Amino acid sequence: DAKTTQPTSMDCAEGRAANLPCNHSTISGNEYVYWYRQIHSQGPQYIIHGLKNNETNEMASLIITEDRKSSTLILPHATLRDTAVYYCIVRGTGGSYIPTFGRGTSLIVHP
Amino acid sequence: EAGVAQSPRYKIIEKRQSVAFWCNPISGHATLYWYQQILGQGPKLLIQFQNNGVVDDSQLPKDRFSAERLKGVDSTLKIQPAKLEDSAVYLCASSLDETGGRELFFGEGSRLTVL
Repeated sequence: DAKTTQPTSMDCAEGRAANLPCNHSTISGNEYVYWYRQIHSQGPQYIIHGLKNNETNEMASLIITEDRKSSTLILPHATLRDTAVYYCIVRGTGGSYIPTFGRGTSLIVHP
Repeated sequence: EAGVAQSPRYKIIEKRQSVAFWCNPISGHATLYWYQQILGQGPKLLIQFQNNGVVDDSQLPKDRFSAERLKGVDSTLKIQPAKLEDSAVYLCASSLDETGGRELFFGEGSRLTVL
């Protein structure tokens, strides 16, 4: 399974866009990119996922490069409640897929 | 829709004692996961069930950890005997798709402190 690389930490001003990058250069054709976030003392929460095209939902937007080797999660108007650890993982859809989390990016949104 | 339920939320034990954690996944979810999350690290998969069969338990320390999923629904994770390094949050997650292609839904976790 493809591994991912994320910056250890980032910060963002409240109300501004937060752009969280993820590198997944070994991703294969049938693997999706998933994003989760973990607020302190809670379990991880699903945010969004995509295969090739950019995706948007009520929480965030996901931009995947054309070669699919990297992606960016965008929180368009970050709030203090978006302070969390954000995990990018890649996962396939068949067989015995093992969802593997790295250390993620710790995002701090400041006033 | 009810989420993934876990209990207990907190547990403090002394080393060499035993402990058990319980997980009730979202109704109808075929796949169930147990993760261990040590402070400052990402979740590490311990075991993955598909219905009531084990898909992967390669990172489960089988000399002290055991897990079962009865009738493909609830699951228990047991540690016996506990060590200091087992202090962590134990997260249970479930997903709908048997092929693993759907998002994971996590419970709030069970925080274990071993003294």
